[in-house]
This record gives sequence, structure tokens and C-alpha cells, in this order.
Amino acid sequence: ETGVTQSPTHLIKTRGQQVTLRCSSQSGHNTVSWYQQALGQGPQFIFQYYREEENGRGNFPPRFSGLQFPNYSSELNVNALELDDSALYLCASSPDRYNSPLHFGNGTRLTVT
Amino acid sequence: GESVGLHLPTLSVQEGDNSIINCAYSNSASDYFIWYKQESGKGPQFIIDIRSNMDKRQGQRVTVLLNKTVKHLSLQIAATQPGDSAVYFCAEKRGYNTDKLIFGTGTRLQVFP
Repeated sequence: ETGVTQSPTHLIKTRGQQVTLRCSSQSGHNTVSWYQQALGQGPQFIFQYYREEENGRGNFPPRFSGLQFPNYSSELNVNALELDDSALYLCASSPDRYNSPLHFGNGTRLTVT
Repeated sequence: GESVGLHLPTLSVQEGDNSIINCAYSNSASDYFIWYKQESGKGPQFIIDIRSNMDKRQGQRVTVLLNKTVKHLSLQIAATQPGDSAVYFCAEKRGYNTDKLIFGTGTRLQVFP
């Protein structure tokens, strides 16, 4: 069974640029969610996708957007990068939207300079 | 506000001893709880979960206790090993149709010989 994989592992961008992060969900999982984890903090929910539609969103501005594809892979896009966007971005998948544990990837470390 | 708090930011234990990591949650409507372990440079790894209709659940060397009266969750690790050294997060979920987890800031477990 293949787990959640994310790419790239590290990324450096300049303020104002745009970035796309990618995720492949665990086999058999049809729900994907994205989290932002600042240094020394717990992960913060960005949004969730189920069957290619956004299905819930946390307190993040519209410049954070996403896509889920028919094969359940996913992208997180962030426009107009700000210094505070520097964080570890985690993708998680689950087999459904109910009480099943989320399985996380190892994240993409984004640094905005 | 939304929060899942932790009583101790750092816990140091001797190898072979039992560890207890505590967590307080704020919303009595939360119905699903998960403990995650996060090692440096990795994503959160699922340890054990518990639903609100249970008081206790056991896994391999780990036990989770839920006290809904005082909104308290604990993770017990038996015979703590050096490989248990990591940051531990509790997370809560409220309701169905969502993968939104509310995480705390975590407790760092240090195991010394």
C-alpha cells in the first residue's frame, strides 16, 4: 500500500510569486485535505476536497486554492506569496469524510524570502 | 476560540518508564480524537484514535483515555523507548463530512537512557 506522497520536499520562493504543491493520496482514499504547519506549531486546516470539489475550508484567504483530480491526486496553489506563508505544508488523505484517521505525507517545506 | 491545548510542552522520561501525555479540548461537541506522533522532518504519523462513545482504547504499547466530563484526553506509552522520542499532538474532529482536525501545539517527548 502506497502512502501519501508530496512533492517537492523543499521549495524557496520570493515574496509575490506563486507556488504549486502536489500530493498523491494513499491508495483507496477519496478525500484529501491540506494543512499548514508553522515552526513549533500544530498543523492548521486549510481546506478539504472530496470527489474533486472543495468540501470545507479553514481561515485562509482566497489566494490559497486547490484542485483534486479524478485519480485523487491534489494540488495546493498559493498566489501572491507572503513571508508568513513560510511553513511546512502537509497533505492528508482518508478513505471517507467520517471518523477515519487522516494519513499525512511528509510535507513540503516552503520558504518565502 | 478553537483550541486543543496541552498541559506540558516537554516531557522527559527514562527509557523503560511509562509516559503520559495529556491534552485538554475545548468543545464538548467534539466526537472523534486522534493522537499523532511527529518526528523531525516528517509528517504526523497516526498512533491511535478514540470515538466519543468510548472511554479507553488500547493499541500496541499505547493507551488513550478520554474523560468527557472534564474534556481531557491522555496518551499512555508503556515501556518508553528511544524511538518514541518525538512531538506528540492530539487532535479533535467535530461532526461528520469533514476532515478538519483541530491540533494543539504538541508535547515534545524526550527519552533518555
